[in-house]
Amino acid sequence: AQRVTQPEKLLSVFKGAPVELKCNYSYSGSPELFWYVQYSRQRLQLLLRHISRESIKGFTADLNKGETSFHLKKPFAQEEDSAMYYCALSGRGGYQKVTFGTGTKLQVIP
Amino acid sequence: GAVVSQHPSWVICKSGTSVKIECRSLDFQATTMFWYRQFPKQSLMLMATSNEGSKATYEQGVEKDKFLINHASLTLSTLTVTSAHPEDSSFYICSARAAGMNTEAFFGQGTRLTVV
Repeated sequence: AQRVTQPEKLLSVFKGAPVELKCNYSYSGSPELFWYVQYSRQRLQLLLRHISRESIKGFTADLNKGETSFHLKKPFAQEEDSAMYYCALSGRGGYQKVTFGTGTKLQVIP
Repeated sequence: GAVVSQHPSWVICKSGTSVKIECRSLDFQATTMFWYRQFPKQSLMLMATSNEGSKATYEQGVEKDKFLINHASLTLSTLTVTSAHPEDSSFYICSARAAGMNTEAFFGQGTRLTVV
């Protein structure tokens, strides 16, 4: 079974402070890991994925297979980062289902 | 990125009636589509996975006869909530992926269903 765990429902940080949204996963095989973001009243959109190893809007995430983690990080939070963040997992291949964590609401305090 | 469109965005129906929600991939061929349900302030719960031309695979606990899924073409999947009851009121979201390795899942804007 595939499972994604996001331990924090809410994370509040001050503007300019570092951000780390935690994500742990369970999957037998080689998973593909994603972070999706949902801004207020908007649809889910892909923030980044581990295979691309790129930084989007200053966010990065490294896949740690030993710890089965894919934490999302940003060195300096901005107010516009306030949103719901979902960690997600899928098997390789377009036909594989995408399983989501419970989400973490990031609140950046001005 | 690619666009996935859901219709309608919101619908109110009477208890006992059926409601159909459409999900279309506008600029790519979606070999696989997913239907999720999202309760207020909760995460997305996968209901079923459908591959074009074949029967949907439902997650445990999801009633196949209540939530009918059709994926007749590479750009359209439909979810029909049959004999809807107030407890079916929820936010339904579809997602679509193209064939191949490492393809991104794109999401529709969601459909708010209210059963009265």
